[in-house]
Amino acid sequence: SAVISQKPSRDICQRGTSLTIQCQVDSQVTMMFWYRQQPGQSLTLIATANQGSEATYESGFVIDKFPISRPNLTFSTLTVSNMSPEDSSIYLCSVRTSGGGELFFGEGSRLTVL
Amino acid sequence: KNEVEQSPQNLTAQEGEFITINCSYSVGISALHWLQQHPGGGIVSLFMLSSGKKKHGRLIATINIQEKHSSLHITASHPRDSAVYICAVHTGNQFYFGTGTSLTVIP
Repeated sequence: SAVISQKPSRDICQRGTSLTIQCQVDSQVTMMFWYRQQPGQSLTLIATANQGSEATYESGFVIDKFPISRPNLTFSTLTVSNMSPEDSSIYLCSVRTSGGGELFFGEGSRLTVL
Repeated sequence: KNEVEQSPQNLTAQEGEFITINCSYSVGISALHWLQQHPGGGIVSLFMLSSGKKKHGRLIATINIQEKHSSLHITASHPRDSAVYICAVHTGNQFYFGTGTSLTVIP
């Protein structure tokens, strides 16, 4: 199993500012992902965080808007840059264990942009 | 068309009732996951299954690969079961998520 600590759990931000979300896993994992869940919507994959190299972004998401770091196999950050009210969402860190393929999620970061 | 469809979208039950949430998918999968999301936003994985049936406490998950359908059952429902239940499938390359079933169990 994997226990994921994600912070902040929630924040209220002003338009035009940036916020960095941290994700810490209690074990080394290969596959780490960042998701966005807009109000009333399902989860949308933003990117796969790759250790030691640039993240792999899904269609519609770009590095300038959502820079991601992954310096090691247990930690990653997602920054939401130049925020607008449309960025108000829950952002979730997720890992998938290589052995069993199970999915684990952080507690989510609920972001409100005014 | 979504690759994963869940029904119902919303469900209200009295405490003690037997609950069924359904998930249909249209892609070939390597595994199906049932997830539980509480109001704070955190998500907990309930089951991962690729065939047959799994049981954990009052929760039972079944999958029919031929019919591309899965069900999540909750026996003797309790107010603490109130949450959003999400079905997700993994194709081997990527995950697809349903939009979730919002369950409210009334005491």
